[in-house]
Order: sequence, then C-alpha cells, then structure tokens
Amino acid sequence: AQSVAQPEDQVNVAEGNPLTVKCTYSVSGNPYLFWYVQYPNRGLQFLLKYITGDNLVKGSYGFEAEFNKSQTSFHLKKPSALVSDSALYFCAVRDMKGNEKLTFGTGTRLTIIP
Amino acid sequence: NAGVMQNPRHLVRRRGQEARLRCSPMKGHSHVYWYRQLPEEGLKFMVYLQKENIIDESGMPKERFSAEFPKEGPSILRIQQVVRGDSAAYFCASSPQRTGKGLETQYFGPGTRLLVL
Repeated sequence: AQSVAQPEDQVNVAEGNPLTVKCTYSVSGNPYLFWYVQYPNRGLQFLLKYITGDNLVKGSYGFEAEFNKSQTSFHLKKPSALVSDSALYFCAVRDMKGNEKLTFGTGTRLTIIP
Repeated sequence: NAGVMQNPRHLVRRRGQEARLRCSPMKGHSHVYWYRQLPEEGLKFMVYLQKENIIDESGMPKERFSAEFPKEGPSILRIQQVVRGDSAAYFCASSPQRTGKGLETQYFGPGTRLLVL
C-alpha cells in the first residue's frame, strides 16, 4: 500500500527566509508525487508534480520540489518566503500501476512570520 | 474556463437525514474523484468515477454511502441516514481522460462542508 508522511505538523519561517516542507513516501514501483496547498475554507490548489525526468521540479508561486529516490523524499522548497505563503500544504503520491487514487499526507501548516 | 464546481458549499443535516453533494467537473474532464477530509486530517480517497461507471470505490464506507456520475449532469455523492461522524469536508476532483503520455493532474473543487447535528 502507498503512504505519505509529513513529519512536521507546523513549520514557522521568517518572511524572506528560505522554507522547506518535508515529505517522504512509500510506494511499490516508481511514484507520481504532488504538492497541493489549501487556504482556509478553500479547496486544494495544485502546486507541482513529479512524474519523471529532472529531480528538481518547478511549480506555481515560486515553489519547487526535489525528488530524491534513495531517500524516498519529495521536499517542497522556496528560496524566499512570503507572508501570503501561509497555508496548509499537502504532499500526495500515486503509483504508476494504474491506480488513480491519490494518497495524501496529514498536512503541514506553514506560517510565515512578518 | 470554470474550475471544478461543488454545491452546496455548506450543508447542515440532522441525524438520520440524507445528504446529497454535487460536483461538476472542469470542462473537458471525464474523470471524477471524491475525497473526505476530517478535521485536522489529510484527504482520504473515497471513490473514482467515469461517466456512468464506478471505477474504484475502495475508499467508500460499505453502508449508507453511494456515488454516481450520470451521462448528463453532475456527479452526486449521497449519504443516507447521516450520523455525526459523517461531519467533514467532502472534496471533488476531476481530471481529463488519460492521453497515454503521462499522468493527468487532479484539480479540486472548493468542497462541501457537511455538518451533522
């Protein structure tokens, strides 16, 4: 069975500093990996995905994520945090075997401190 | 191009009543997924549908829950005889038909927040 772990419930970062939101996964075979962001009382917005190719994936709003197969990780990063980045971030995985469902982590609440 | 639409956005039901949640996928999308988010938790997969077909319902509770995606109209998630434990946010996502060139992203609606009194 596939699974995702987001080890940090809460991450606080000062505005202008780099941020990292951690994600590790477990899946049989090669993974498809996703990051979504959720603002209060809203749905999930797609940020970026990894399918194959370059390990560094660039996405929306200046976010990027690095796929590391040996560490089974897909950490979300941004070089300089904005207050508007404060939200709930979800990592998700899907395997390549035709199973369409996404398996989500429990989420990490990111707070950017002005 | 409108995104995924869900209605109602908020729904209040008393125990024992029925809840019907509707989802209209993005234009051109033929795949619909339903997820449930309990307070302070991540999203859990419930069911995956294509037009007139249930493809994967491995996440659906065995009783009281059903889903459909008719040829015409929105997808419906139906919960009969609701209980307090059904209180959650229910999200619908859609994706286009797979092209064979790679993975299609699921795009999410704003959700329906169900409160059972």
